[in-house]
Amino acid sequence: GESVGLHLPTLSVQEGDNSIINCAYSNSASDYFIWYKQESGKGPQFIIDIRSNMDKRQGQRVTVLLNKTVKHLSLQIAATQPGDSAVYFCAEKGGGYQKVTFGIGTKLQVIP
Amino acid sequence: ETGVTQSPTHLIKTRGQQVTLRCSSQSGHNTVSWYQQALGQGPQFIFQYYREEENGRGNFPPRFSGLQFPNYSSELNVNALELDDSALYLCASSLTGTGSYEQYFGPGTRLTVT
Repeated sequence: GESVGLHLPTLSVQEGDNSIINCAYSNSASDYFIWYKQESGKGPQFIIDIRSNMDKRQGQRVTVLLNKTVKHLSLQIAATQPGDSAVYFCAEKGGGYQKVTFGIGTKLQVIP
Repeated sequence: ETGVTQSPTHLIKTRGQQVTLRCSSQSGHNTVSWYQQALGQGPQFIFQYYREEENGRGNFPPRFSGLQFPNYSSELNVNALELDDSALYLCASSLTGTGSYEQYFGPGTRLTVT
């Protein structure tokens, strides 16, 4: 499949360690934020979301933190596995319809 | 429950030609959004369709148009293709009216314009 991660920031993590992927967003009116995972040759896959009235949300092995003061979003992956290797995108939704604006992705490389 | 499907998988067109890409929504979803993803970039919102009408549009020219059918499937049409239109085209389906904004993406159609 095609490479999704050309020229993207890259984070290399040892298998078993925790990963933290950061994202800055621009629209202070955004009310909903999502993290997506995209593997080569595939469409983005929903990981976890958070609404603007929350500052933390946990899923299975993942946690999203939202800091509205500095417009910052982070994704924490616990005990990173080789299958977590992919490009990760943060996205924000603002406005009445469901337009989602994607940020610059981060390529996560898990070192076995 | 079926996932989002797109056709064709790959397509090669010549500059100036027209192309139609197709998307079948996930079962039960009534909204379809289309995105363009250039190599190494994040997806860029083209437009969204709900109840067979365009429900929002990104910064794309009118030669990008779409349709949604009563069964919620959708088409993306691009006229007068340009070299910069070469990209992965993604559709995403969702369910409007429940308060959930979760979108499910298809695998995409890789369009190459020569």
